[in-house]
Amino acid sequence: AQSVSQHNHHVILSEAASLELGCNYSYGGTVNLFWYVQYPGQHLQLLLKYFSGDPLVKGIKGFEAEFIKSKFSFNLRKPSVQWSDTAEYFCAVVNAGGTSYGKLTFGQGTILTVHP
Amino acid sequence: NAGVTQTPKFRILKIGQSMTLQCTQDMNHNYMYWYRQDPGMGLKLIYYSVGAGITDKGEVPNGYNVSRSTTEDFPLRLELAAPSQTSVYFCASSAGLALDGELFFGEGSRLTVL
Repeated sequence: AQSVSQHNHHVILSEAASLELGCNYSYGGTVNLFWYVQYPGQHLQLLLKYFSGDPLVKGIKGFEAEFIKSKFSFNLRKPSVQWSDTAEYFCAVVNAGGTSYGKLTFGQGTILTVHP
Repeated sequence: NAGVTQTPKFRILKIGQSMTLQCTQDMNHNYMYWYRQDPGMGLKLIYYSVGAGITDKGEVPNGYNVSRSTTEDFPLRLELAAPSQTSVYFCASSAGLALDGELFFGEGSRLTVL
């Protein structure tokens, strides 16, 4: 079975600091990768996604993520965070084939707190 | 733009009670999902449905039941509430299977079982 691991449970930064949130998955086959964000009091929404092609993908609000296949990683980055980025971030993976076809597996989530 | 609507937002149950979490979407999506979110555990899939009349188990289905009589509605039922079911529950929908990641989530229902 596939699994997703987010290494940091809670990250605290000051505004303008750079952000990198780690995500590793365990599955040897073809996967599609996603980052979701949940702002306080709001529902989860898609931040960015990777299917194939350029391993560096850009999402909304200045976020980007890099897929490194050899490391089974899909880390989320932002060069300069803002107070409004305070939220919980979830990495998610879906098999493009196999018995778990089409079902998203989520990581544990990382809470990001940005101090003004 | 209602999207995915869940009710109730909060509920406290006693052990052994039953209840239904309601979920409605107005996007005409075929696929609907129920997840539970526990602190530090991420989201776990409980049940999903690929269309009216068709449901299937996810990763953690024990203690829950679902039905899908219409495209819009996907209620989740807890028959005999247990403390282990204390969690935040999210309903989601998508136009296709989750391969493209475009799941639309409700705002969640926080359930406490005492």
